[in-house]
Amino acid sequence: DAGITQSPRHKVTETGTPVTLRCHQTENHRYMYWYRQDPGHGLRLIHYSYGVKDTDKGEVSDGYSVSRSKTEDFLLTLESATSSQTSVYFCAIKGSGGDTEAFFGQGTRLTVV
Amino acid sequence: SQKIEQNSEALNIQEGKTATLTCNYTNYSPAYLQWYRQDPGRGPVFLLLIRENEKEKRKERLKVTFDTTLKQSLFHITASQPADSATYLCALERAGNNRKLIWGLGTSLAVNP
Repeated sequence: DAGITQSPRHKVTETGTPVTLRCHQTENHRYMYWYRQDPGHGLRLIHYSYGVKDTDKGEVSDGYSVSRSKTEDFLLTLESATSSQTSVYFCAIKGSGGDTEAFFGQGTRLTVV
Repeated sequence: SQKIEQNSEALNIQEGKTATLTCNYTNYSPAYLQWYRQDPGRGPVFLLLIRENEKEKRKERLKVTFDTTLKQSLFHITASQPADSATYLCALERAGNNRKLIWGLGTSLAVNP
């Protein structure tokens, strides 16, 4: 299995509180992604990174920020959690070649109450 | 806008039969197309990748076809087994797009014994 882990696996938080999810990889892959997955919407890209300190927005980035200070870690922060951010969050990594697959973490189930 | 469509209805087939799943796309010229499997509560797992200049790819009981004229990929599982029951996701990648994958919503497959 590819070396990618997410933490925490489950979290319940209150509306208005900040939350940080962590993605850690041991594959030295250049690209890292944060997705959320909701019924009826599939996987939607929140933010991605194409290198250390190089990040960009995805299609649903409002209310989220990211940081990548080293190759192996990609952090996703919900600045002030809202109930609409209740979801399952997946981190993925991908090598530099175009014909490479993405490897996913186990997911984080976040509930905002 | 870019759009990817997969069979929205669940596919139910009998064990031993061939399952065929469809992925259609519009307004897009993918360089690569990938298929993933996702089990409940888990992240997607890569199955097969096919390039724009390839017509067909096989791996054991799996076969993928790619028709850039029809803008369609077909995913076949031959001699299906109950263990093949899962959701199958199609993902497209354009060349030079920071390796971002655009995802379909997935098709749920149930193989009945």
